[in-house]
Amino acid sequence: EAGVAQSPRYKIIEKRQSVAFWCNPISGHATLYWYQQILGQGPKLLIQFQNNGVVDDSQLPKDRFSAERLKGVDSTLKIQPAKLEDSAVYLCASSQYEQYFGPGTRLTVT
Amino acid sequence: LAKTTQPISMDSYEGQEVNITCSHNNIATNDYITWYQQFPSQGPRFIIQGYKTKVTNEVASLFIPADRKSSTLSLPRVSLSDTAVYYCLVGEGNQGGKLIFGQGTELSVKP
Repeated sequence: EAGVAQSPRYKIIEKRQSVAFWCNPISGHATLYWYQQILGQGPKLLIQFQNNGVVDDSQLPKDRFSAERLKGVDSTLKIQPAKLEDSAVYLCASSQYEQYFGPGTRLTVT
Repeated sequence: LAKTTQPISMDSYEGQEVNITCSHNNIATNDYITWYQQFPSQGPRFIIQGYKTKVTNEVASLFIPADRKSSTLSLPRVSLSDTAVYYCLVGEGNQGGKLIFGQGTELSVKP
């Protein structure tokens, strides 16, 4: 069974630039999550999708972060404009029961 | 969602049994207890989940007392490759609910 795919794996941008991350969940998983993990901390949920509808985005900084899930499968997370404090690993997970995580995208904002 | 408290770090040696205890005093009736493992540069990986008493799989055991206010993850005969961060989570978890990660326990296994 293929796992959760994410790209890119690494990204370096300057503050105020835009960036987008892509996630392809495990086939058949209706629920998709985006997490932000700052170094030394546990992952923090940003947004949860059920199929292509948003279930929870209470911790998503909506002034700069946006996310969509295309046709209930792939998803993109965008940051515009980026701030220094957005430097983190962005993890995508999908679930039918337990959550399966992708390898993450390490973002560095300079 | 119930808050969890677990040790920030633990040290062990190869071949030993490691027990990581997590407290969750405000656990709700519908909550499950779930443990994840995370290696550097990887996403967390599900280890085990339980509701009460004892659960065992090929990787670990999970002990939950009757009051469910704490739980203990037991890793038998650890090896160097078990060095990782272990997260205890309480919630509807794998039943489709939200997971809230704490800081986790950084386990270091030495030769």
